Amino acid sequence: KNQVEQSPQSLIILEGKNCTLQCNYTVSPFSNLRWYKQDTGRGPVSLTIMTFSENTKSNGRYTATLDADTKQSSLHITASQLSDSASYICVVPRGTGANNLFFGTGTRLTVIP
Amino acid sequence: NAGVTQTPKFRILKIGQSMTLQCTQDMNHNYMYWYRQDPGMGLKLIYYSVGAGITDKGEVPNGYNVSRSTTEDFPLRLELAAPSQTSVYFCASSPGTSNLYEQYFGPGTRLTVT
Repeated sequence: KNQVEQSPQSLIILEGKNCTLQCNYTVSPFSNLRWYKQDTGRGPVSLTIMTFSENTKSNGRYTATLDADTKQSSLHITASQLSDSASYICVVPRGTGANNLFFGTGTRLTVIP
Repeated sequence: NAGVTQTPKFRILKIGQSMTLQCTQDMNHNYMYWYRQDPGMGLKLIYYSVGAGITDKGEVPNGYNVSRSTTEDFPLRLELAAPSQTSVYFCASSPGTSNLYEQYFGPGTRLTVT
């Protein structure tokens, strides 16, 4: 069973609309959660990292939330643009090292004009 | 800075052939990683290195080998390619071993084994 589950698998929205992507995790012990954006044919690029004590963090039009009690995170995209079309991947490490990361399968977002 | 570069971008191999995927980073990062990304699956760690001369297995190392003779380069070797190795391969680097450090990914190599 995946220790990081993302939903929905894919999403199509109109340009200018908002959307929210979900990430549920069971990884323990928990230290942080990171959201990556992966454009087609490219490697993932970090959007934001949420540590245990943080509930909300924004990066421009991207806002991530974390509820460590329910083990859920969301990524909210405001006023979507065509360039937001990409896969969004939730990543949760186990322990403190960087060699034990659990990657979600991603949400494929398509923004249409 | 070019960041993390990978070559080739695409490659088709026949079953049983061998090849080396190249990875170079110019950020002077000690830590480097190789991942594979299969359709509908999350990235899986193949091998990683914490510095020149030091490598260790990740979650899915079978069928692969790595070496790290310099800080900049971390090539991945496929011996006796199999269809199960058809995937997109990503190299990454980070400045530290803590997972609080961001990993910087290369653009990937799409490999098909037929």
